[in-house]
Amino acid sequence: GNSVTQMEGPVTLSEEAFLTINCTYTATGYPSLFWYVQYPGEGLQLLLKATKADDKGSNKGFEATYRKETTSFHLEKGSVQVSDSAVYFCALTTTGNQFYFGTGTSLTVIP
Amino acid sequence: EAGVAQSPRYKIIEKRQSVAFWCNPISGHATLYWYQQILGQGPKLLIQFQNNGVVDDSQLPKDRFSAERLKGVDSTLKIQPAKLEDSAVYLCASSLSSISGNTIYFGEGSWLTVV
Repeated sequence: GNSVTQMEGPVTLSEEAFLTINCTYTATGYPSLFWYVQYPGEGLQLLLKATKADDKGSNKGFEATYRKETTSFHLEKGSVQVSDSAVYFCALTTTGNQFYFGTGTSLTVIP
Repeated sequence: EAGVAQSPRYKIIEKRQSVAFWCNPISGHATLYWYQQILGQGPKLLIQFQNNGVVDDSQLPKDRFSAERLKGVDSTLKIQPAKLEDSAVYLCASSLSSISGNTIYFGEGSWLTVV
């Protein structure tokens, strides 16, 4: 079946620290991979995506590389800001564009 | 471009009452999704429409939940009768098509509290 496993939270970092949120997946076929972000009181927004192996998605200083050999799509940012405080969801889609989401990782960045 | 619109934003009802949520997807988006997000969890797909046909409703509790997408545009999700465990955020989302890899765009959600 299809599933996504995310690093457990919550994660608390100081401003300008390096961020990694781990995501691994199980999928039939060739999935596309996504990271969505949810700010307090808002809906989910696309952060970045990759549609094939070795692709790197990037946006707002965040990056993630689609690693087929390790079935992973880890999210990284070199220097986090207070405004990055949110919940981050890893997701995959397969045939029919059916999305499967991880449980989310809450990030708090302190000044 | 207008985003996915949902209403109401917040609803409090007593158990065994009914509630309905409305969604208007992004113009031109053929695929519409309803997700349930319980606090502290990831979104769970309830139902996926392609135009006005159902693609997947395998996780929809059909004894109490129903959804329709008449004319392939707006959609309504209904719960009747509500249970305490239905307290959650109901997220509507849409995508241009059901081809894998299409980004889905979410509305702000409808927060339901059942007391």
